[in-house]
Amino acid sequence: QKEVEQDPGPLSVPEGAIVSLNCTYSNSAFQYFMWYRQYSRKGPELLMYTYSSGNKEDGRFTAQVDKSSKYISLFIRDSQPSDSATYLCAMTRPGFQKLVFGTGTRLLVSP
Amino acid sequence: GAGVSQTPSNKVTEKGKYVELRCDPISGHTALYWYRQSLGQGPEFLIYFQGTGAADDSGLPNDRFFAVRPEGSVSTLKIQRTERGDSAVYLCASSAPGQANTEAFFGQGTRLTVV
Repeated sequence: QKEVEQDPGPLSVPEGAIVSLNCTYSNSAFQYFMWYRQYSRKGPELLMYTYSSGNKEDGRFTAQVDKSSKYISLFIRDSQPSDSATYLCAMTRPGFQKLVFGTGTRLLVSP
Repeated sequence: GAGVSQTPSNKVTEKGKYVELRCDPISGHTALYWYRQSLGQGPEFLIYFQGTGAADDSGLPNDRFFAVRPEGSVSTLKIQRTERGDSAVYLCASSAPGQANTEAFFGQGTRLTVV
C-alpha cells in the first residue's frame, strides 16, 4: 500500500463547478500538507500549504486537512478551463525534507 | 535567474550510456532537491542538498545514480549504465534559506528516454 493514495481521474466538470480533490494517507507522522498544480510537460507549481489540521483559503482555493481521518481535500470554486491540469497532493514530517506525493488527479474543466 | 532551470529539456540516450542532468536553482536558494516522475505517477524523492553536501540521499535507487553540488549552487545528477527503466522526468526544486521543502520551487524537468 502506498503512503499516499490519490484517485488519478480524470475528473471532468463544466466551467463554474465546484471541484473537490482528495488524498488519503497512512502515516500519522505527516504534519505538513501541500497541493501542487502541474500542467502538461511543466514542473509542479505550489498552490497551497497547510500545517496540521484545519482549513486554509486562498482566492478560489480552499485546502482542508482532517488528521483524525488521514484525509486531505482541495476545493476549487468557480472552476475555469485554465484550471485544467493535474493536481498533486504532497506531505511530509517535521524535520524531514522528503516530500511524499500522491499520483495526481487529472482535472478537465470544459467551457 | 527567475526560476529553477534544468537542462537539457529532453535527453534521448541508448541503454548502457552515461548521462548528466543539470539544475540551476533560484539564486540564493541553499536547499536543492531532485525528484523523479514516471509516467502517470507523482514525483518520487531522490536526494536533498543543503549547501554543497547531500543531507539525504535515501531516495537514490541504486549506485548507478549520483548527484553533486560542488559550489552550493548548480547541481548535476549523473546516471551510469542507463537502463530503460530509468526513463522518466527528472525534476529539480530549490528553496530559500529559512524556508522548508514546503515552499520549494520546481523546474520544468528533464525528460529522459532510454532506448
